[in-house]
Amino acid sequence: EVQLLESGGGLVQPGGSLRVSCAASSFTFSRYAMSWVRQAPGKGLEWVSAISGTGGRTYYADSVRGRFTTSRDNSKNMLYLQMNRVSADDTAVYYCAKDRDHEFWSGYRPFDYWGLGTLVTVSS
Amino acid sequence: QSALTQPPSASGSPGQSVTMSCTRTNDDVDDYGYVSWYQQHPGKAPKLIIFEISKRPSGVPDRFSGSKSGNTASLTISGLQAEDEAHYHCSSYGGSSTVVFGGGTKLTVL
Repeated sequence: EVQLLESGGGLVQPGGSLRVSCAASSFTFSRYAMSWVRQAPGKGLEWVSAISGTGGRTYYADSVRGRFTTSRDNSKNMLYLQMNRVSADDTAVYYCAKDRDHEFWSGYRPFDYWGLGTLVTVSS
Repeated sequence: QSALTQPPSASGSPGQSVTMSCTRTNDDVDDYGYVSWYQQHPGKAPKLIIFEISKRPSGVPDRFSGSKSGNTASLTISGLQAEDEAHYHCSSYGGSSTVVFGGGTKLTVL
């Protein structure tokens, strides 16, 4: 069974940095684009970023572009989200999600597996 | 950029059918053909239940169905069960290689 397990969340001060990770297992990780999706407390889902299977291309929501960086290590089946210059608006549960079909990211295809998420709280 | 609007709540009694909507607004994207729906129980990860407007992944009961008319996509759950009580999120292509989600609908089974 496909498993995605996020880690690295916690409390970070406004303006600070944090890196969250996602460990993937039971599928050929490099063959699928991956995304980060977040959910602020009591709010809906918000797509944050995506990365192609090779890691060669990345995509970002306007709300995080220039502050967040998504990367992956296919040798370790790991996905990362480096978060810089965070603000209270970045407080959310961060989920990693697997593209259903393809290594190339398009934005058209659904996410067929999600992790349980890791909570990031931005507060002084 | 496109946005998706969902009613904040819906309800139905066991055995009944309920339909939830997802309306695309600020539409500067021609393609609304790739709508997905996700079910999310409290404290759990979202689960894909409908993709490409009306397709069901393997293992999703046929009580769940999707459709679209114009700029509004709909999720219908027939034969409501207590376990269907959850939040339901729609998503679609948001333009420029992005994804947009609706605000989610909380379904209460009375």
